[in-house]
Amino acid sequence: LAKTTQPISMDSYEGQEVNITCSHNNIATNDYITWYQQFPSQGPRFIIQGYKTKVTNEVASLFIPADRKSSTLSLPRVSLSDTAVYYCLVGDRASYGKLTFGQGTILTVHP
Amino acid sequence: NAGVTQTPKFQVLKTGQSMTLQCAQDMNHEYMSWYRQDPGMGLRLIHYSVGAGITDQGEVPNGYNVSRSTTEDFPLRLLSAAPSQTSVYFCASSRPNQETQYFGPGTRLLVL
Repeated sequence: LAKTTQPISMDSYEGQEVNITCSHNNIATNDYITWYQQFPSQGPRFIIQGYKTKVTNEVASLFIPADRKSSTLSLPRVSLSDTAVYYCLVGDRASYGKLTFGQGTILTVHP
Repeated sequence: NAGVTQTPKFQVLKTGQSMTLQCAQDMNHEYMSWYRQDPGMGLRLIHYSVGAGITDQGEVPNGYNVSRSTTEDFPLRLLSAAPSQTSVYFCASSRPNQETQYFGPGTRLLVL
């Protein structure tokens, strides 16, 4: 399974766009990139998943360059309620349910 | 649908006691997993199951047992609780090749 590296913490202010980058240099051909969000005292919640190029949903965008060795989660116009831990996971879909989450990125949004 | 439910929400044990953490899902998901999360850390996989009657170890299986007799339930047993097992335990479920796992609300366990 591909190892991921992401910043331990980030700070932002309300209304700004936040970009969190994840490195996954040994990503395999069948691997997808998935991001989860976790609030205190809750289980993680799926945000977005992608394989290549760009994926967008109502919550976030995921940018994946051609070499797929990194990915960037983009949160538009964050609010205080976006303060959470964000996890980047890489693996093939058959391995989902068997993945260990890393430390994640603690995003703190300030007023 | 209730989704993934876990009981109890909070439990205090003494060292050496045993207990079972319950997890149930009503989405007919084949995959179920147990994770533990220590303060300031990510989630570590304890055990997982890809279907009824099939279980396998994750990253940190020692001190825990699981069984999967039905699709809906995936209990986690602590055989002899130790203070190192103080943690928050999350159960999750998903379908094969599904893009997301669904997580329960967690069980906070304190071992004295």
